Amino acid sequence: GAGVSQSPSNKVTEKGKDVELRCDPISGHTALYWYRQSLGQGLEFLIYFQGNSAPDKSGLPSDRFSAERTGGSVSTLTIQRTQQEDSAVYLCASSLSLYRAGQEKLFFGSGTQLSVL
Amino acid sequence: AQSVTQLDSQVPVFEEAPVELRCNYSSSVSVYLFWYVQYPNQGLQLLLKYLSGSTLVKGINGFEAEFNKSQTSFHLRKPSVHISDTAEYFCAVISNFYSSASKIIFGSGTRLSIRP
Repeated sequence: GAGVSQSPSNKVTEKGKDVELRCDPISGHTALYWYRQSLGQGLEFLIYFQGNSAPDKSGLPSDRFSAERTGGSVSTLTIQRTQQEDSAVYLCASSLSLYRAGQEKLFFGSGTQLSVL
Repeated sequence: AQSVTQLDSQVPVFEEAPVELRCNYSSSVSVYLFWYVQYPNQGLQLLLKYLSGSTLVKGINGFEAEFNKSQTSFHLRKPSVHISDTAEYFCAVISNFYSSASKIIFGSGTRLSIRP
């Protein structure tokens, strides 16, 4: 596609349920990020994939959060046993590369609004 | 570790007035700096960036920012704002650019509201 695609755009779930959020980056982009945007919290870094390197998971808030990226393309962020404090907009972004100047520009998806009741 | 601080969560200004949105970073190595903007109900997009060279960088919509290494700042400015500049602005940093450990970290954002 022309841009970064995220699905679903909205997700309402009950506390304790598991959710999966999907991100389709721009074709050919080797770098992929997940961020969480909450009111007053700005953009919180969650996880970063760069090519075939091991992902940087240093931003994941707890072991209930995990993410994978299959075939260097599509990524799925999974939240197990959701809690009300997980409610936020989850943003995915991709870039050509982080290692070459001029290719570090991030292209963002529209996000998934997660509401945990 | 790198970090970004945006000192103002909200900045209200009158239309046609100048504005400065503040950003300070913390890093022990060289950095690349960015400003991203999120207009209402839209995704984030790059406003401008500093990689090297001139410390004064110009971006879209008349915005500019100045990299000040001694003060570890990258403040965003516009001499005369318009209603359409109403948005949330995020400062971001990458340090140690060519390391596999580098990643883009964002500040908490500044909400700019323009009053007619």
